[in-house]
Amino acid sequence: QKEVEQNSGPLSVPEGAIASLNCTYSDRGSQSFFWYRQYSGKSPELIMFIYSNGDKEDGRFTAQLNKASQYVSLLIRDSQPSDSATYLCAVLSGAGSYQLTFGKGTKLSVIP
Amino acid sequence: EAGVVQSPRYKIIEKKQPVAFWCNPISGHNTLYWYRQNLGQGPELLIRYENEEAVDDSQLPKDRFSAERLKGVDSTLKIQPAELGDSAVYLCASSLGTGVLADTQYFGPGTRLTVL
Repeated sequence: QKEVEQNSGPLSVPEGAIASLNCTYSDRGSQSFFWYRQYSGKSPELIMFIYSNGDKEDGRFTAQLNKASQYVSLLIRDSQPSDSATYLCAVLSGAGSYQLTFGKGTKLSVIP
Repeated sequence: EAGVVQSPRYKIIEKKQPVAFWCNPISGHNTLYWYRQNLGQGPELLIRYENEEAVDDSQLPKDRFSAERLKGVDSTLKIQPAELGDSAVYLCASSLGTGVLADTQYFGPGTRLTVL
């Protein structure tokens, strides 16, 4: 059973601070890693994806991947109240199955 | 470019009734997915199509759920009969194809099903 674990939160950060969201996964064969943002009552929206170990930056967002530790994280710099949402980590397995497994999500609240 | 389209957005039915959901993927996307998302949980895959072929339906409760993707474009997911535990949001997603570089999935707005 492939598992993706996230702290459910809520994670509260003040406006302008850095929010750090973490995710661990069980399948060592996983190839691709995605972060989705989901506002309440809305569908998941892709923020970033990462394939290789290290950091990947896109604007205020940085994804970090460490395959040896089976760990992926998302940093949000200069957090804004509009970033308040649930962040879903999703892991794509390989070896022909290409199944995307989601964590339960971390709820982030950015306090003005 | 239009995103993934789903209808209806909301559906309320009584248990034992049938229900169907419709999805139109992003133009050119060969792979289509149906997910179910329960409250407080991440989406869970029900079925994946590559063109018109269902290539992964291991999580689809086949006694009451069925799906089709005629002509490899639009898809319909059906539940018959619905049970109370089927209340959830049903999400459709699409991607260009499968494979590491082409598998980024884009989600539709979902259908919120309530079974009374």
